[in-house]
Amino acid sequence: ETGVTQSPTHLIKTRGQQVTLRCSSQSGHNTVSWYQQALGQGPQFIFQYYREEENGRGNFPPRFSGLQFPNYSSELNVNALELDDSALYLCASSQLLGNEQFFGPGTRLTVL
Amino acid sequence: AQSVTQLDSHVSVSEGTPVLLRCNYSSSYSPSLFWYVQHPNKGLQLLLKYTSAATLVKGINGFEAEFKKSETSFHLTKPSAHMSDAAEYFCVVSLGSGGGADGLTFGKGTHLIIQP
Repeated sequence: ETGVTQSPTHLIKTRGQQVTLRCSSQSGHNTVSWYQQALGQGPQFIFQYYREEENGRGNFPPRFSGLQFPNYSSELNVNALELDDSALYLCASSQLLGNEQFFGPGTRLTVL
Repeated sequence: AQSVTQLDSHVSVSEGTPVLLRCNYSSSYSPSLFWYVQHPNKGLQLLLKYTSAATLVKGINGFEAEFKKSETSFHLTKPSAHMSDAAEYFCVVSLGSGGGADGLTFGKGTHLIIQP
């Protein structure tokens, strides 16, 4: 059974650019959630996708957007990058809504 | 609304001695509570979870936690620390059993240091 994978591992962007992060959910999982973890902080919920629709959203502006594909993989897009967007972005998948979430290793984004 | 407060940002214990990581929560409804561990450069791993069954929850690697509604606490313990326990630990609250539309709400983390 393949776990949650994320790509790329690391990414460096400049302020104002756009970035796309990718996540492959664990086999058999249909729900994907994204979290932002700033240095020295706990992860913060960005949004969740279920059956290709956004199912819930945390306190993040609209420039954070996402997609879920028919194979349940997902993308996180961030437009107009700001310095404060520098963080570890974590993807988690679960078999059903409300079930245990399994986390990927994360993508480290640095905005200069 | 729900929130989690981890009372210690750092805890240092000697190998072989007990571990206590403290967590208080706030939730408008009956919450589900979790402890996750994060080793450097690795993903978050679930240690244990409470979802309104037994109040004493046993997890992996010898960890356990007790849900105390009257104290709104969910402290994590281990009888004897091992060097491999050194990591960041997160207390987490959720309205759903695994994180519904509101996602998981994480505390700020407790860095556990194990002295040889």
